[in-house]
Amino acid sequence: SQTIHQWPATLVQPVGSPLSLECTVEGTSNPNLYWYRQAAGRGLQLLFYSVGIGQISSEVPQNLSASRPQDRQFILSSKKLLLSDSGFYLCAWSPKTSRAYEQYFGPGTRLTVT
Amino acid sequence: AQSVAQPEDQVNVAEGNPLTVKCTYSVSGNPYLFWYVQYPNRGLQFLLKYITGDNLVKGSYGFEAEFNKSQTSFHLKKPSALVSDSALYFCAVRDANSGNTPLVFGKGTRLSVIA
Repeated sequence: SQTIHQWPATLVQPVGSPLSLECTVEGTSNPNLYWYRQAAGRGLQLLFYSVGIGQISSEVPQNLSASRPQDRQFILSSKKLLLSDSGFYLCAWSPKTSRAYEQYFGPGTRLTVT
Repeated sequence: AQSVAQPEDQVNVAEGNPLTVKCTYSVSGNPYLFWYVQYPNRGLQFLLKYITGDNLVKGSYGFEAEFNKSQTSFHLKKPSALVSDSALYFCAVRDANSGNTPLVFGKGTRLSVIA
């Protein structure tokens, strides 16, 4: 079966510090991968999605970036964090075999920028 | 363009009563429709989906949803609510002709079931 991991689970970082959040998927190959941010326990904001290694689509301009160095690894980064980057970050994956497939979400990372 | 509307930020229901969480959608082609649930500080969990066929879809934890093409709706329902159903619920859509694009999510509806 497939599983998706995110780490760390929680993170407290000062303003201006760098960020690296990691997401890995097991039990599948060539998945679509997604990064979302959720502020204040409400709506989801799609940040990035990737259909393959090195292929990243950015949905909103911001000081975050994403990379996909390996097939099942998706990394969210920032060079300098802002207070507004605080939130709950969710990684998700979906198979390419059919558009009818749902997205499967990881457990999330709670980021607090102080 | 694809979009989803969840018109209620909050739904309150007494335990044992039926619950409905509303969702309407807009796509240019045929829709694939999904419901997810999120408990505090957790990722989203898939509940059910409509792809084709029977308009009434049954999912996890006793939830069901009815696809209504004429009203472009996909409301989530449960005959008898439990306190443990209290959570944040998201409706999502993908146009069947859109290719490998991300799901489009609604803003979420917070369900509170009162004992």
